[in-house]
Amino acid sequence: QKEVEQNSGPLSVPEGAIASLNCTYSDRVSQSFFWYRQYSGKSPELIMSIYSNGDKEDGRFTAQLNKASQYVSLLIRDSQPSDSATYLCAVIPDSWGKLQFGAGTQVVVTP
Amino acid sequence: KAGVTQTPRYLIKTRGQQVTLSCSPISGHRSVSWYQQTPGQGLQFLFEYFSETQRNKGNFPGRFSGRQFSNSRSEMNVSTLELGDSALYLCASSPDRGGTGELFFGEGSRLTVL
Repeated sequence: QKEVEQNSGPLSVPEGAIASLNCTYSDRVSQSFFWYRQYSGKSPELIMSIYSNGDKEDGRFTAQLNKASQYVSLLIRDSQPSDSATYLCAVIPDSWGKLQFGAGTQVVVTP
Repeated sequence: KAGVTQTPRYLIKTRGQQVTLSCSPISGHRSVSWYQQTPGQGLQFLFEYFSETQRNKGNFPGRFSGRQFSNSRSEMNVSTLELGDSALYLCASSPDRGGTGELFFGEGSRLTVL
């Protein structure tokens, strides 16, 4: 079982709609969770971090964390063609552990 | 502020050769991590250095090694290259001691092994 699992997609989203990305992780003691965005041919860039249960909003992005269910999600509101990218979920399994990435979900926003 | 700089950006090697990749972190960042990215395996952690010490190591064979210098610049070396080593090698820096997921990635070094 992979430590961080995501649906690979592609997730096709009409422009202006909400894109919903899901991620599950296997290590119950994980405390830190991150979403990275990677455009084709580019390197990953951090877009959100979340450490506590609940929602965290930053502009059009909302990260949601449920530690009991070992589940973290990312919502992209009012999706734009510029949001078309691969979104990587990443988790730190323990305090000094290495950052573990999921395989990524490809999002395609169609005009 | 300059970002993470990786050199070379592209390189082609043949099986059995060795390669050294270089990474200059963001000024003031003392933690440097290396990742291998392939279409099949995604981003795989190689190792992390902080203050010239290796803090964490991923599940890669001993052919993969790295080091960090006193100015925080880092190098990774792959010896006896195999076809499967073809990948994008990403370096990421962080200002923190370790255990942080807030990484700043360089553009990567794309290695092709023939």
